[in-house]
Parts: sequence; C-alpha cells; structure tokens
Amino acid sequence: GESVGLHLPTLSVQEGDNSIINCAYSNSASDYFIWYKQESGKGPQFIIDIRSNMDKRQGQRVTVLLNKTVKHLSLQIAATQPGDSAVYFCAENLNDYKLSFGAGTTVTVRA
Amino acid sequence: SQTIHQWPATLVQPVGSPLSLECTVEGTSNPNLYWYRQAAGRGLQLLFYSVGIGQISSEVPQNLSASRPQDRQFILSSKKLLLSDSGFYLCAWQGRELGELFFGEGSRLTVL
Repeated sequence: GESVGLHLPTLSVQEGDNSIINCAYSNSASDYFIWYKQESGKGPQFIIDIRSNMDKRQGQRVTVLLNKTVKHLSLQIAATQPGDSAVYFCAENLNDYKLSFGAGTTVTVRA
Repeated sequence: SQTIHQWPATLVQPVGSPLSLECTVEGTSNPNLYWYRQAAGRGLQLLFYSVGIGQISSEVPQNLSASRPQDRQFILSSKKLLLSDSGFYLCAWQGRELGELFFGEGSRLTVL
C-alpha cells in the first residue's frame, strides 16, 4: 500500500505486504528529517531519521528515502504487521529549536 | 538513560476552571523543552518551547501559559479553561546532537 503526499491521510495495507508512507516537506534548507509513530492514546515515538547529506537510511524493517530535488520523504515498512497500525508523522528540522510536523498518515493493517 | 514524565494522564475540567499540567525530564541537563497540542485526528501544534529556566517562547496566541521553574520541569497552565482547550497535550525534550524530539505519554484534557 502507498499514500501520496499529505492529502491522503489514511493507508490500508494487508498484513505481510510492504507499506509506503509519503511526505512532502516545505523548506529546502531543512537538513534533518524524522519519522514518528503514534499509537492511539500515546505520545509519538521516534522511528528513524535521516540527514540531508543522505538519500536512504535503513533500520529494522523500515527504510527512509529522501529526495531533496522534489522535497519528498518516504517511509517504507517491510512485511507490515498488525502492531504497525498507527499514525505516522514526518518532521523536518526548521532550525535549532523547531521541528515542523506533517499532518500524519493513519495506517491500518488488515489481517 | 533519559526519561520524560508528564501528568496527569487524563483530566476532565469544567469551563472556567484552572489548569496545571506538569512535565519533568530525567537523565539530561539543560534540555530544550516543548509543549504541543494535538486535536482529535489532527497533527501536532507547537504551543511553547523553552531553552532554559525562566525562558519561554510562545508560538501561538492562546489561553494558555507555560513556565519553567527548574531546569528539568516544564508546566503548562491556564487561569480559565475554554471548551476549545480540549485536546491531547504532549511534552517533549530535544536531543542535543541532532535535534530530534522525545515525547512524553501525553495528557488528555476534556473541558466540559
């Protein structure tokens, strides 16, 4: 399953499939980006980050891709599991003190 | 390791009553601290941030205020709550090296 930009706030994916969550960021000068996962009723949790001098970074079952040319960030989740159901936020570091968050994508995993 | 605590976790308050949400961080010194609000099904809105004791920056005009009486304590307050103050409030501290934020578990406020 794949979401596009910030205008498709939900993504439904079959368990075991790969998920792709997309995010368009606003500031071409941003040099640091983060993906957060927020489960219902809890605070956002850090998943993975990437600096602007990289275009890809891999974690455990997750990969973040950065395309600075089009100011696009994506999070790929391999073999999506029921526990991956959550809201996912991208964030860009605008300056030393502020992160700007996207609107979020709600991911629902179908059994 | 660093930890962040905020309380209370849930609060139901009548319109016009005062509010105090508290956040403390352990395991780090002189952190940048943040208060965010999240309306139901929405993104994160930055309310206040603080780079040191007594230093508060407000992002949006509102019915709330923040204070930082100690290095690792951040308090969100209101003298008279409005219905529109209902929401999920999140405290966060900022990592020094890269600037990532680490969030508390949140405080859900319902104003009736």
